[in-house]
Amino acid sequence: LAKTTQPISMDSYEGQEVNITCSHNNIATNDYITWYQQFPSQGPRFIIQGYKTKVTNEVASLFIPADRKSSTLSLPRVSLSDTAVYYCLVASYNQGGKLIFGQGTELSVKP
Amino acid sequence: NAGVTQTPKFQVLKTGQSMTLQCAQDMNHEYMSWYRQDPGMGLRLIHYSVGAGITDQGEVPNGYNVSRSTTEDFPLRLLSAAPSQTSVYFCASRSGPGTGMNTEAFFGQGTRLTVV
Repeated sequence: LAKTTQPISMDSYEGQEVNITCSHNNIATNDYITWYQQFPSQGPRFIIQGYKTKVTNEVASLFIPADRKSSTLSLPRVSLSDTAVYYCLVASYNQGGKLIFGQGTELSVKP
Repeated sequence: NAGVTQTPKFQVLKTGQSMTLQCAQDMNHEYMSWYRQDPGMGLRLIHYSVGAGITDQGEVPNGYNVSRSTTEDFPLRLLSAAPSQTSVYFCASRSGPGTGMNTEAFFGQGTRLTVV
């Protein structure tokens, strides 16, 4: 499974756009990229998944360059309630789609 | 539609005791997984299943057993509890890949286990 690397922590202010970049240099052809959010004392929650180019939903956007060795989760106009840990995962279709979590990025949004 | 239900929410065990953490989902999902999360850490995969009767090991399977006799249930058994198994345990389920890949998993509320 491709190993992911993302910043341990990030700070932002309310109303700003936040971009969290994840590197996955060993991503394979059949792998998908997915992002989760976790609040304290809760289970993770799915945010978005993608294979290539750009994906957007009501919560976030996911940018994946052509070489797919990295991806960027973009959160528009964050609020205090976006303070959470964000995980980047690479899911391998060939390995039953196991979801392996790394350390995640702890995002702190300040007023 | 309750989603993923874990029981119990809290449990204290003595070293050497055994117990079963229950996980049930009502979404007819094929895939189910168990994770543990230690303080300040990410989730680590213990065991997972891609369907009834099929299970496989994850990253940290030692000390845990699973079975999947039905689509709905995926219990996690601690054979002989150790203090190192003190953690928060999460169960998750998701539907199969279909024509592509589905990585949207639904997590239970967690079980806080303390082994003394």
